[in-house]
Amino acid sequence: DAGVIQSPRHEVTEMGQEVTLRCKPISGHNSLFWYRQTMMRGLELLIYFNNNVPIDDSGMPEDRFSAKMPNASFSTLKIQPSEPRDSAVYFCASSPPDSPRGPQHFGDGTRLSIL
Amino acid sequence: QKEVEQNSGPLSVPEGAIASLNCTYSDRGSQSFFWYRQYSGKSPELIMSIYSNGDKEDGRFTAQLNKASQYVSLLIRDSQPSDSATYLCAVNKGGSQGNLIFGKGTKLSVKP
Repeated sequence: DAGVIQSPRHEVTEMGQEVTLRCKPISGHNSLFWYRQTMMRGLELLIYFNNNVPIDDSGMPEDRFSAKMPNASFSTLKIQPSEPRDSAVYFCASSPPDSPRGPQHFGDGTRLSIL
Repeated sequence: QKEVEQNSGPLSVPEGAIASLNCTYSDRGSQSFFWYRQYSGKSPELIMSIYSNGDKEDGRFTAQLNKASQYVSLLIRDSQPSDSATYLCAVNKGGSQGNLIFGKGTKLSVKP
């Protein structure tokens, strides 16, 4: 089975531009997580969906960040406008319905650089 | 006090030795505890979960939990160079699945 699929793998863009990150969770998984990882702050949860509904978005830094999950097989994380401090690795993760309390399968991540 | 604390390392052990990785957490109401392994440039991989006090063994890995001391550890027996990675401790404070707090990780280096 395919794992969690993220695209793009790398993104380099100039500040002020809109950035869209994409994620396809594992089929049958009903929980989806977006994380951001930096050396300074480690791995931080941005938002968590359950059955396509946002449950906890308290980690979303500010209004420049938005996330959607229009169906069970697709989610996007959008940054508009982007800033250099948004540079990080962004991970999407998913979990099946009967999993313990946390993300079980991570995608390969999107390495984002904002110049 | 940080919610989940780990020594950043690097922790260096010789091949075949036992590697001991430690983690403390601040919220006494925490319910679930996880260890993830992350190779350089790769994504985290869930390797162990533990929910009750005591030890849980899975192959060469043993997770230990002491809720009274708010302490979680991971022991890796017969360490191999392929175990060299950063190990992330994660704690779920209860409530939703999203309520998972990660430590910054301990970098382990196993020398041949």
